[in-house]
Amino acid sequence: AQKITQTQPGMFVQEKEAVTLDCTYDTSDPSYGLFWYKQPSSGEMIFLIYQGSYDQQNATEGRYSLNFQKARKSANLVISASQLGDSAMYFCAVRVTGGGNKLTFGTGTQLKVEL
Amino acid sequence: NAGVMQNPRHLVRRRGQEARLRCSPMKGHSHVYWYRQLPEEGLKFMVYLQKENIIDESGMPKERFSAEFPKEGPSILRIQQVVRGDSAAYFCASSQETSTDTQYFGPGTRLTVL
Repeated sequence: AQKITQTQPGMFVQEKEAVTLDCTYDTSDPSYGLFWYKQPSSGEMIFLIYQGSYDQQNATEGRYSLNFQKARKSANLVISASQLGDSAMYFCAVRVTGGGNKLTFGTGTQLKVEL
Repeated sequence: NAGVMQNPRHLVRRRGQEARLRCSPMKGHSHVYWYRQLPEEGLKFMVYLQKENIIDESGMPKERFSAEFPKEGPSILRIQQVVRGDSAAYFCASSQETSTDTQYFGPGTRLTVL
């Protein structure tokens, strides 16, 4: 079974600063994908970024980048130039190729961006 | 280019009633997933369906819960004889293919059982 650990229940960051949200995963499957989703207070789940286990380079999407360290089994999300609208819950998830396509989520990190 | 659609957005039921949650996947997507989010928790997988087939229901409670994705129409998650512990947000996601495609989520249905 897969497991995702997000050790930071809450984080604060000043507007325009960068912030790193931690995520470690545990899977024995060599082929997997890592995802980050954002859940604002309105409740919807918004896809942010994806990293495949065989990808050589760290994924980037605009202000989001994924710091993928395969040997450490970590997939931290870096948000650069934080904005007030980044305040939300952030979930890390893993999907193993041989695991039926289901996503296994962590418990999330609540990010608050302050002026 | 509509995203994943779910209705209703909010549903209130009394204990013992039935709840029906609907999900229309994104255009061109033929794979549907249902997840449940209990208060203050992450999402938990329930079931994965393709048209007219249940592929993986390993996360579904053994009783009272069922899901379908008919040839025509939306996917339905059905909860019979609801109990207070069923109160949660139920999310549907869809993907185009299987092994590498991203799952895109709908806005969720918030079920409250009185």
